[in-house]
Amino acid sequence: GAVVSQHPSWVICKSGTSVKIECRSLDFQATTMFWYRQFPKQSLMLMATSNEGSKATYEQGVEKDKFLINHASLTLSTLTVTSAHPEDSSFYICSARGGADYNEQFFGPGTRLTVL
Amino acid sequence: GQNIDQPTEMTATEGAIVQINCTYQTSGFNGLFWYQQHAGEAPTFLSYNVLDGLEEKGRFSSFLSRSKGYSYLLLKELQMKDSASYLCAVSDSNYQLIWGAGTKLIIKP
Repeated sequence: GAVVSQHPSWVICKSGTSVKIECRSLDFQATTMFWYRQFPKQSLMLMATSNEGSKATYEQGVEKDKFLINHASLTLSTLTVTSAHPEDSSFYICSARGGADYNEQFFGPGTRLTVL
Repeated sequence: GQNIDQPTEMTATEGAIVQINCTYQTSGFNGLFWYQQHAGEAPTFLSYNVLDGLEEKGRFSSFLSRSKGYSYLLLKELQMKDSASYLCAVSDSNYQLIWGAGTKLIIKP
C-alpha cells in the first residue's frame, strides 16, 4: 500500500522558536496533502489542504502566517510552525492523496510537538 | 452544515461483537471511511464504502445506507488490541474528508 512518512516523529522546543515538519509520500505522487492537528482526546482537525505547486488553502481559524505550508514537489510537503507557543503543543498529522484511488488519504505516523 | 455523529464511547467484552454506528449529513457524498486510531498514533485505514450494503474484511465489516445517511462498523471476536478510537469520515463533493469525533472502544477481559 501507499506509504507516507513524517519527520520528526516528536520534537520539543522552546517558546518563540520555529519548527519544521516534513511529510513525504514514499511510493506514490501526492497531488494533494492535508495537515491535521489533534489535541488530546479530540478528533482530527483539518488545518490546511495543499496542492503541489500552489498555495495552501487554510481552514477557518488557522493562521496562515503562523503555520507555513510548502508543497513544492509531488512527494514532499512541509509545515513550519513559526514562533511556537505552548498552546501550539499538539499531535500534527499529515495525509496524502493521489495514489491509484484518488479518494483515499494515506496518513503519516504523526509528529508530537511540545513547546516549553 | 456538515455533520458526522458517532457515539463517544463504547465498552465491550473480549470475544464478543460490537457495532459502532455513524450518521452523517454532508454536501455531496463520495464514500465513507472507517479508521482505527490507537492512542498517540495516526489513524489507520479500515474500510471504505461508496455503495449500499455490507463490506466484509476479516473480523471487521462495514455497512452503508446512503438513503438513511447511516453506516456502521461491526467488529467480531473482539481482542484486547481492538481497544482504540474508531473514526468515521465522509468524503464530500470536493473529496474532502469530514470527520466524526471518534468512538473510543474499551475492551474488557
